Amino acid sequence: GDSVTQMEGPVTLSEEAFLTINCTYTATGYPSLFWYVQYPGEGLQLLLKATKADDKGSNKGFEATYRKETTSFHLEKGSVQVSDSAVYFCALSEETSGSRLTFGEGTQLTVNP
Amino acid sequence: EPEVTQTPSHQVTQMGQEVILRCVPISNHLYFYWYRQILGQKVEFLVSFYNNEISEKSEIFDDQFSVERPDGSNFTLKIRSTKLEDSAMYFCASRGQGAGELFFGEGSRLTVL
Repeated sequence: GDSVTQMEGPVTLSEEAFLTINCTYTATGYPSLFWYVQYPGEGLQLLLKATKADDKGSNKGFEATYRKETTSFHLEKGSVQVSDSAVYFCALSEETSGSRLTFGEGTQLTVNP
Repeated sequence: EPEVTQTPSHQVTQMGQEVILRCVPISNHLYFYWYRQILGQKVEFLVSFYNNEISEKSEIFDDQFSVERPDGSNFTLKIRSTKLEDSAMYFCASRGQGAGELFFGEGSRLTVL
């Protein structure tokens, strides 16, 4: 079945540091890939998505590229801010399963001033 | 901005008791979902609901679980006889027509003692 694996957390960085959160997936077909973010006390929010190979999703300075050859969708940001502190979830959905999302474990990011 | 709201934010119950978690999806959305996250584990799909019936459910969603849309605005998840292992954060989500983004609520934390 489908699965998503994220790098283990928590991750602690200083402000303006470079961020990478690794995500790899296993899927039977051609999934769409997502990053969701959960800020403290809030629900899951879509951060970015990519629907086919080599697509790059981007939002709020975050980027992730759909790499079919390595089955990866790593999240990156060049310069993190304290306000980026949150839990980040990688997820996929397959066309055959509609919008049913399969999530990774989540990675807690803390950015210190 | 429209949002998905969930109540209660936290419920503590005794094992064997019935629990109802409530969700108010975004008003013009047609597809509704419940996910859960046991502490330290992945966010898992429970059930999807469309056109007043379940469209898909996971193996977790056994006979102890049920969903209902009792009126035009609420979407509920009932656990008939709670077990210790039902302790988790339960997320409601909704989406509109087509393969659009899922909008999540803030979650309801259920603690079974």
